[in-house]
Amino acid sequence: KAGVTQTPRYLIKTRGQQVTLSCSPISGHRSVSWYQQTPGQGLQFLFEYFSETQRNKGNFPGRFSGRQFSNSRSEMNVSTLELGDSALYLCASSPVVTSGTDTQYFGPGTRLTVL
Amino acid sequence: DQQVKQNSPSLSVQEGRISILNCDYTNSMFDYFLWYKKYPAEGPTFLISISSIKDKNEDGRFTVFLNKSAKHLSLHIVPSQPGDSAVYFCAASGSGGNNDMRFGAGTRLTVKP
Repeated sequence: KAGVTQTPRYLIKTRGQQVTLSCSPISGHRSVSWYQQTPGQGLQFLFEYFSETQRNKGNFPGRFSGRQFSNSRSEMNVSTLELGDSALYLCASSPVVTSGTDTQYFGPGTRLTVL
Repeated sequence: DQQVKQNSPSLSVQEGRISILNCDYTNSMFDYFLWYKKYPAEGPTFLISISSIKDKNEDGRFTVFLNKSAKHLSLHIVPSQPGDSAVYFCAASGSGGNNDMRFGAGTRLTVKP
């Protein structure tokens, strides 16, 4: 069974631009969560989608948005990029809406650099 | 808000010895704790978890200990192997799913042959 895939793996943008990241979950998984990983901050939860609906949302500004398609693939969009948005963005998939006790399966991440 | 802290950014141990990774949390509502391991260029992978109703959970070479009164958990790896070299994240969650889940900043473990 193929794992979680994320594209692109690396991205360089400049301040003020916008970016779209893509995540394809494990086949059969319907939940996709997005995380931001920065040095010293660990992983911070952005949002979770299940059956094309946002089910949970972390404490990030509205510049961060996402969506999920009927095939469970998900995209994350960041508008008006800031230097502080430079990070590794991870997505994780799960068969069901995560309750905090479920094992999530992470993709390799997209490394975003904002210049 | 750093509700989950891994105060040691790095740890180096000799192959065959014990590795002890520590994690502290501040929110007493957390009731489930997980450890993830992350290799470079890969996403984190689940390692072991523990519910707040237990104080120890063991899986092969990996044991997680939970001290609720001290709000402290630790991951013991015995014996340590070079393949264990990775970044280890601890995570804590409450009843609110991912909304409540908090991760530590990670500890980079290096196991020397």
